[in-house]
Amino acid sequence: AQKVTQAQTEISVVEKEDVTLDCVYETRDTTYYLFWYKQPPSGELVFLIRRNSFDEQNEISGRYSWNFQKSTSSFNFTITASQVVDSAVYFCALSARGGATNKLIFGTGTLLAVQP
Amino acid sequence: SQTIHQWPATLVQPVGSPLSLECTVEGTSNPNLYWYRQAAGRGLQLLFYSVGIGQISSEVPQNLSASRPQDRQFILSSKKLLLSDSGFYLCAWSVHGNTIYFGEGSWLTVV
Repeated sequence: AQKVTQAQTEISVVEKEDVTLDCVYETRDTTYYLFWYKQPPSGELVFLIRRNSFDEQNEISGRYSWNFQKSTSSFNFTITASQVVDSAVYFCALSARGGATNKLIFGTGTLLAVQP
Repeated sequence: SQTIHQWPATLVQPVGSPLSLECTVEGTSNPNLYWYRQAAGRGLQLLFYSVGIGQISSEVPQNLSASRPQDRQFILSSKKLLLSDSGFYLCAWSVHGNTIYFGEGSWLTVV
């Protein structure tokens, strides 16, 4: 069975603080993809990053960085110097490769509130 | 570039009334299409997906149905809405094996 766990339901930080959102996944597939999406108050899910199971290199994009560790089945997301505009619900998701369909299994999300 | 649109953005419907949510994708051919629902509590649940015209797979038994009359059109329907159908509905697309991109979403309140 596939599962994504985001243990942090809500996080509140003050602007300019660094914050890490945790994601732990379970899958028996050897080939899979991991994703992070941002859902601002408007509701639309915004794609942030995709990682495949064969690429454990960490990635940095501006203030965002991702730490993928297969040994601990984790794909954590860090925002450096957080800003009020980062306030949103963040979802981690897993997709196993197979067939023509790419179905996502989502975690329950982490609500990040950045206070000014 | 590819875009996805769904409508209406907001809908308030009485119990027992029909439903039709529509989604279209532009700028790509033969996409996989998906309907997700997000109920209170933030969980996202896959309802339907389609790999081609007329091909619909249902993930969970429910009061809803989906149709794909054209390559880039995906419709979510119900003949009689239930209170439990309330939620935020998201249409999404992908090209085989790649990232799934979501539409703006539709807020449905059944009263």
